[in-house]
Order: sequence, then structure tokens, then C-alpha cells
Amino acid sequence: GENVEQHPSTLSVQEGDSAVIKCTYSDSASNYFPWYKQELGKGPQLIIDIRSNVGEKKDQRIAVTLNKTAKHFSLHITETQPEDSAVYFCAASRVGSGGSNYKLTFGKGTLLTVNP
Amino acid sequence: DTGVSQNPRHKITKRGQNVTFRCDPISEHNRLYWYRQTLGQGPEFLTYFQNEAQLEKSRLLSDRFSAERPKGSFSTLEIQRTEQGDSAMYLCASSPWTGTGEAFFGQGTRLTVV
Repeated sequence: GENVEQHPSTLSVQEGDSAVIKCTYSDSASNYFPWYKQELGKGPQLIIDIRSNVGEKKDQRIAVTLNKTAKHFSLHITETQPEDSAVYFCAASRVGSGGSNYKLTFGKGTLLTVNP
Repeated sequence: DTGVSQNPRHKITKRGQNVTFRCDPISEHNRLYWYRQTLGQGPEFLTYFQNEAQLEKSRLLSDRFSAERPKGSFSTLEIQRTEQGDSAMYLCASSPWTGTGEAFFGQGTRLTVV
């Protein structure tokens, strides 16, 4: 089955700096890669996703990149703010294939702390 | 609120008791998932419904666990004879019929078995 590795496990940055979180996946058939933000006591919130036919996607201060050959993808947050502090999860899934159930395999998470 | 709704938010139970959780997905979403999340870990897949049909169950879902989705609407997850190792956050997610892959999670039910 799919295996997703995520690094680093913790990341501390100063407000205004950039943060980068990296993930690798094992199943070359995976073609959908979402990122979730989880605040304490809450469920994961989908913040951005990327599909295997795209190399990069941006949404305001966040961006994701995907390297299919190397089977890794990254989350970039620019101009970090204290409210960006949370646990971030990457995930991988196979969508669109016959019989696929679209289940997500998650990394272990990155605790991002943005210091004012 | 049109998001995924889970009840209860918290449940404390004694070992050996049965518990049941409910999930109300986003309306029109035909795919519904249950995940389990333990402290410091990412969510792990438990089971998947497409409409009312349960199409996949993880090895994590022992025979003490059962899930239903009658009429393809809300879903319930029951744990019988709870054990301390069942303590976790149980998350429900739903995805639209368009099959684009986006999954939207509820706030979860935090189970503590004492």
C-alpha cells in the first residue's frame, strides 16, 4: 500500500519568514496530493491540493510543488503569521481509476510554530 | 452549518462498554470515510462508504468495530467491548460524487476509554 513520509516533524519560524514542509510517497499510481491544517481539538481542514498533471499551484501565501519523478511534494508558506501555527499534514490518494476508493494516506504531520 | 457534523464531540467510557458515534456528511456527498487519529499521528483510514454500500474496511477495523450508512445519508460507527487502545480521535470525512478527491473532515469525536 501507499506510504507517505513527512519532514520535518516540528518547524519553528519567525513571523514573516517562509516555511517549507516536504513529503515523499511510495505508490507511483497516486495522483492527488492534498494538504491539511489541523488546529488543536479540531478536525483537519483542507487548505490546498495538487494533482499529478500539475507541477505547482499557488493560493495567496501558500503554494505546493510536485515532482512526480522523484515522488515528492512540498508545501510552501510565505510571510508566515502567528495564526499559521498548527499541525500540517500531507496526504496522497489515487482518484479517477476504476474501483479506486479515493482513501487518503497521511504523513505523520508537522507542528509549525510561528513566533511573533 | 453545511460542513461535516460529528456527534458527540467527546465520549468517556469504561472499558468493556459499547459506544456509538454519528456522522452527518455534507449533503450531496456520496462518499463517506471514517479515520482514526492517535496522538502525534496522522489520520488512518478505517472504512469507506459509497452511498449505502461499505466498499472497504481497513485491517485496523477489528470485529469489535462496525459501521453503517443506512440510506446513504448519515453514518454510525460502533465499537463494542471497548479497550484502552481504542482511545483516539475518530474522524469522519465526506467527498462529492464528482470524484475529484477532495475530502472534508468533521471536528471528530474524541474517545477516552478508562
